[in-house]
Order: sequence, then C-alpha cells, then structure tokens
Amino acid sequence: EAGVTQFPSHSVIEKGQTVTLRCDPISGHDNLYWYRRVMGKEIKFLLHFVKESKQDESGMPNNRFLAERTGGTYSTLKVQPAELEDSGVYFCASSQDVRSGWGETQYFGPGTRLLVL
Amino acid sequence: AQSVTQPDIHITVSEGASLELRCNYSYGATPYLFWYVQSPGQGLQLLLKYFSGDTLVQGIKGFEAEFKRSQSSFNLRKPSVHWSDAAEYFCAVGPLTGGGNKLTFGTGTQLKVEL
Repeated sequence: EAGVTQFPSHSVIEKGQTVTLRCDPISGHDNLYWYRRVMGKEIKFLLHFVKESKQDESGMPNNRFLAERTGGTYSTLKVQPAELEDSGVYFCASSQDVRSGWGETQYFGPGTRLLVL
Repeated sequence: AQSVTQPDIHITVSEGASLELRCNYSYGATPYLFWYVQSPGQGLQLLLKYFSGDTLVQGIKGFEAEFKRSQSSFNLRKPSVHWSDAAEYFCAVGPLTGGGNKLTFGTGTQLKVEL
C-alpha cells in the first residue's frame, strides 16, 4: 500500500512569489491534515479536511494560505504571496474515518521543505 | 490549552546503551499519546500510541513507553540502542472529545548514536 506522498520535496522561492504544495493521502482515507514545522519549533497543526470539507482550519496562519481538497482525494496548499516566515517543513497526514473510534493513527508524508528568500 | 514538552533537544548515546526520551504533557483530561520518529528524508513514522488500558505500551523497533498519569509523562524507552535509531523523535498528544484528531507535538529530540 502506498503511503502519503507529497510534492515537491523541496522548494526555494523568493519573497512575494506563489508556491503550491501537493499531498496525496493514502487511498480511502477520508481525513487529511496539514501541519507545519518552522525551524527549531514544534510541528503545528494547520488544518483538517474530512473528505472535501474543511473540518478545522484554526491553525492556518493568515489569509495568504489557501488549502483545497477537490473531490476528497489529493489536497493542495497554496501560499500567496510567500513571506520569509513561511519557511519550514510542511507535512501532510491522513487517517481513516474518525467515526471508527478514538485514537486512530495519522500517517505522515515526508514533508515539503520550503525556503523563502 | 494542551501542550507537550520534550526537555531534551539533543541526546547522544552509545550503541548498545539504554535510552529514555522524556515527554511531559499538559491536558485537562487523559489524552491519547503518541511517539513518532523521523529519519532523514523520511516522513514521521508512528512508533507507538497510548489510548487506555495497560500503561506500558509496546511499539515497533523494540521501543516502549510508559504512561504515568501522576507525572503527566509518557517517556519513550529502548533497552539497547542500534545505530539505525539515530533520528528525531516527537511526542504528540491528541484530543479525546470533539475537535477532530489534530495532534499537538513537542519540539522533538534529536538522537545521535555513537558507534
């Protein structure tokens, strides 16, 4: 079974440019999460999709970040325009239906390393 | 608000030595707890999780963790470390009621293994 995949693995852009990150969850997983780790800090939650709906976007830093999950499959996270403080590693995770019980496992992708110059 | 503290940023151990990575959490109720590991170039891999029941949890790669409610701790242990265990380790806590399953992570502990 394929795991969570993320593209690109690395991205270097200049301040003011736009970057789009993509996440492909494990097939059949309804839940998709985005997290971010700024250098030296903890991994922080950004948002949660259930299928194509945003369940919780309380962690999104500001309106320069836009996440979509069309059709409930892959998701994109767009940063427009990018700022220096957006640099970090962006992780995606997926899991099965939350109604299946508490304590379900989130499976993480390898992350996208974003550097804004 | 819930929080997770991993007091050790870096730890170095010799191969074959025992290992304990510390994790303390702050939460209003009993959370469910996770340990993840990230090897270079890899995603976060789940080592083990605690939800309820036996407070000593066994995981993959020979790791175990013990939930101690009185100390709000969930320390990760391994009796004999292998060079391949060098990686970054993250403790995380998740909510039990409502709010979906978003995880709160500690800052991570970087483990170096000396041969």
